[in-house]
Amino acid sequence: GESVGLHLPTLSVQEGDNSIINCAYSNSASDYFIWYKQESGKGPQFIIDIRSNMDKRQGQRVTVLLNKTVKHLSLQIAATQPGDSAVYFCAEIYTGTASKLTFGTGTRLQVTL
Amino acid sequence: GAVVSQHPSRVICKSGTSVKIECRSLDFQATTMFWYRQFPKQSLMLMATSNEGSKATYEQGVEKDKFLINHASLTLSTLTVTSAHPEDSSFYICSARQGAYYGYTFGSGTRLTVV
Repeated sequence: GESVGLHLPTLSVQEGDNSIINCAYSNSASDYFIWYKQESGKGPQFIIDIRSNMDKRQGQRVTVLLNKTVKHLSLQIAATQPGDSAVYFCAEIYTGTASKLTFGTGTRLQVTL
Repeated sequence: GAVVSQHPSRVICKSGTSVKIECRSLDFQATTMFWYRQFPKQSLMLMATSNEGSKATYEQGVEKDKFLINHASLTLSTLTVTSAHPEDSSFYICSARQGAYYGYTFGSGTRLTVV
């Protein structure tokens, strides 16, 4: 299930299940979006990206969906593994702001055995 | 693939002293580097953007005299936290961009503890 912690919402899933992590972005003019995975004490690691002229993109075990109408991104992880446990951030880029990355709040994914 | 090295990974300093954090792009030239700060259980907040050979651009609310950024070469940017105080304790992360709009690579972060 999903719960909201002090600052970071947490999603708990069983190993082998599919995970869906959601993100609401802020700028309707953003033209590029990236999902990052951050493990404890480390920097963000690129997972998958999508341009604003697309609504779906698939990678290995991951799929990103973009709904511009409601400014919503989702990251789907198939057959979630213990190694997927981390904090996941979406980030948006608007080239009108010198292409700076703006990060979302983040979601902690906990994979239970 | 692109690699960004950040050093040190952890540092403890006394209140009132300064500490320097280095960010190096190891196998590419980074025209732009970004510095972020991350508090526990929170997201990354952009502090400043630095372009090689020019002054850094700081985000609103970030004190440029306290957080000195130098981007002297295409492979090195440094962040110096001056006169550090306990409230500066945080996780600092750099990112380097490979010229194109979207090629961002992050360092592994520096945990700063001011005592």
